[in-house]
Amino acid sequence: EVQLLESGGGLVQPGGSLRLSCAASGFAFTNYVMTWVRQSPGKGLEWVSSISDSGDSPHYADSVKGRFTISRDNSRSTLYLQMNTLRAEDTAVYYCARQDRFEFWGQGTLVTVSS
Amino acid sequence: DIQMTQSPSSLSASVGDRVTITCRASQDIRNYLAWFQQKPGKAPKSLIYDASTLQSGVPSKFSGSGSGTDFTLTISSLQPEDFATYYCQQHHHYPLTFGGGTKVEIK
Repeated sequence: EVQLLESGGGLVQPGGSLRLSCAASGFAFTNYVMTWVRQSPGKGLEWVSSISDSGDSPHYADSVKGRFTISRDNSRSTLYLQMNTLRAEDTAVYYCARQDRFEFWGQGTLVTVSS
Repeated sequence: DIQMTQSPSSLSASVGDRVTITCRASQDIRNYLAWFQQKPGKAPKSLIYDASTLQSGVPSKFSGSGSGTDFTLTISSLQPEDFATYYCQQHHHYPLTFGGGTKVEIK
């Protein structure tokens, strides 16, 4: 059974940092492009970042470029999102997903940026 | 960036109704279009990929069509469990982009 389990969310002050993790199981993680998608409270879905199967080709939304870094550890089947210089508008539930058909999503982890 | 325009943004319908949601891309995305259903507090659920291919386990009352710039999601006979918000998404080019969503409510 494919499972994606996010962790690392929480309350952080503006300007602070957080690192999200997404632990994958039930499939050959190293073979798939992986993605982060977020959803601000009461708003729609927003793509944040994707990373190739090998990890050498990341893509970012303009809203997070230069502040967020996506990475992966294929030996641990884990996807990461390092979030720096956080802003109030980064407050959202962050989901990881397997990008091939977006069939598999995690349950999400809430990031709240507030003083 | 490719803009995805969904319409309507909301609709009221009755159980048994046929419902159609449209999604228009600002440029040709071939068939790189997915549809998702989301219920409050839950992760999105994939319904359709490649514009018209039903995801495994999704009931056949859902169907998708279109290519290029114009796409539709149809629910043939709305059931209580179908009341949710629906999103389209293009994955032809980065940045990936979602439509604004269509909230389907009970009339």
